[in-house]
Amino acid sequence: DAGVIQSPRHEVTEMGQEVTLRCKPISGHNSLFWYRQTMMRGLELLIYFNNNVPIDDSGMPEDRFSAKMPNASFSTLKIQPSEPRDSAVYFCASSLALGGGRDTQYFGPGTRLTVL
Amino acid sequence: KQEVTQIPAALSVPEGENLVLNCSFTDSAIYNLQWFRQDPGKGLTSLLLIQSSQREQTSGRLNASLDKSSGRSTLYIAASQPGDSATYLCAVLYNTDKLIFGTGTRLQVFP
Repeated sequence: DAGVIQSPRHEVTEMGQEVTLRCKPISGHNSLFWYRQTMMRGLELLIYFNNNVPIDDSGMPEDRFSAKMPNASFSTLKIQPSEPRDSAVYFCASSLALGGGRDTQYFGPGTRLTVL
Repeated sequence: KQEVTQIPAALSVPEGENLVLNCSFTDSAIYNLQWFRQDPGKGLTSLLLIQSSQREQTSGRLNASLDKSSGRSTLYIAASQPGDSATYLCAVLYNTDKLIFGTGTRLQVFP
């Protein structure tokens, strides 16, 4: 298996632009997680899906952030409009579990976002 | 508030030493605890997962213990190698289904 795939690996954009991050979970996994990692706040869960349904989006910082999972093999995290404080590494992870993080989570390589 | 703390924040040791990394959590009503490894510029790799009913888990040179009553977990690395150099993160899962991560211990093992 190729593992969790994220694209792009690096993204540099200007403030105010729309940014879309993409994730392909491991085939057969039914839970998908979006995390953000910064030096100041460490790793934080933004949102997670179970069987393509958003379960907990309480970590989404603002209405500028939105996430979708149209099918079991694809998810997007969109920031519109982007701001410099959104600069971080965004990770996607997936797991095979009845719900949430109750089984081992497998992480993608991350997308390093820089907003100028 | 559910918090996870890791001590030390950084550790530098010569090759061959046995190491102990510490993780403490404020709320003992956990579902499970996981240890991850993160290499620079890379994602996280799961090392060990301990269910709340378990006391320890072992994988190769790694052993993780869990003491729920005291809110502590330790990751023991035997006979450390330069390839063990990375950041080690512990994460606690509560019944909210949300993993709470510690800030990590950055380990450097020099030859």
